[in-house]
This record gives sequence, structure tokens and C-alpha cells, in this order.
Amino acid sequence: DAGITQSPRHKVTETGTPVTLRCHQTENHRYMYWYRQDPGHGLRLIHYSYGVKDTDKGEVSDGYSVSRSKTEDFLLTLESATSSQTSVYFCAISGTPRDRGSETQYFGPGTRLLVL
Amino acid sequence: QKEVEQDPGPLSVPEGAIVSLNCTYSNSAFQYFMWYRQYSRKGPELLMYTYSSGNKEDGRFTAQVDKSSKYISLFIRDSQPSDSATYLCAMSAGNQGGKLIFGQGTELSVKP
Repeated sequence: DAGITQSPRHKVTETGTPVTLRCHQTENHRYMYWYRQDPGHGLRLIHYSYGVKDTDKGEVSDGYSVSRSKTEDFLLTLESATSSQTSVYFCAISGTPRDRGSETQYFGPGTRLLVL
Repeated sequence: QKEVEQDPGPLSVPEGAIVSLNCTYSNSAFQYFMWYRQYSRKGPELLMYTYSSGNKEDGRFTAQVDKSSKYISLFIRDSQPSDSATYLCAMSAGNQGGKLIFGQGTELSVKP
């Protein structure tokens, strides 16, 4: 494991409610990413962060926001959950403290989210 | 058209077979190529990493990159039931904050 944890691991929620997923890393990696994985689509990037308070959008960012106030934590928020956001969400990290960046990414165990 | 195309399978082979998994891509700027293995209900784990064209071998696994054809392959020799998983290819141009583009994954089943 690359020292990545995600919480919660499973969540069931109702349409219209806000949901926050947490990614925590223990290895001081600079880059952090949020993906969603759906059948037929593989992994798609939602948002990523290249440092504290530095974030950018990915391929499927609509309906999602992120925050990174500390190096070790990257939060993904669904402002108002919809059924189309039912998915498995993975956090990933890359880049060691000495690197400007790294092309290899290491993934957390995932969060299964069901929006009813 | 997707930037990265991967046959989703499923692919079923007998134990001991040689497995070939493939991806094609359209972006000639891609320079970094990876293969991830994902067991059911787990996160993807990095299996192979290759920079630019060429071959890389690690035990029973060989990764090949042919940039002229925009084609990458992963070969698994002497396949084992424990190799049963979904295999995802991923690639990056190397100048976009480490962002990876993934194929949709190939589901492999190795039968004893």
C-alpha cells in the first residue's frame, strides 16, 4: 500500500443531499487525484490537486468540488448528489516530496457510493 | 473517439496460456505508459511502467510500446488463476500535472 486511506468505504445517500468523501495520505505526496469508475468508462478524472489549496478540474468535474487545506487530505464534495453520481470513487497520489511530479499513480481502496 | 481504446473482454484462458492485452491510442504526445491490475472490489495497483518505446520485462509480465503504431501491449506468460483481474492501460503526455488517461479495462479470467 502507498499509505492511502479513503473514508467512508461505503455510503448510501439520497438525491439532493451533500456528500463529502475523504482521502488521506501519509507519505507527503504532492499530487492527489479523485477518479470515478463506472462500467464501460474505466477511470475518469474528476479533480486533482498539485499542492495545498491548488486544485484543477478533470474530465468529469461537473457537480463536484474539492478542497485541500493540508498536504495529507484531499476532500471530494458532491454538492447535491444525483443518481448519476452513483459510482466507485478512487483517490490516487503521485510525486514524492523531492519530485516535481511523477507519472505513476498509486490508488486508494475506493469508496462505493449509492445515490437513491 | 476515445483517446485510449481497450478491448473490454471478457477474456477467458486456461492456466498456463500466454495472454496478450492491448491498447491503442490517438494522442502522439503520450510518452509514459502504464499497466494497472485491479482485483474485484479493490483499487488499481501499478503493474508495469514504461517510458517511450520499447520493451520491459518483469517476471512473467512483459510490456511493449510501439509509438509509431500508437499501440501498447501487456503479455502474461504461464498465466495463473491468481492473474484473474481487470487490467487497465494508462498513459500520460508528461506535462499535465501527472494526469493519466485510462483505457476502460480488460477483464481476464484464468481457468485452472
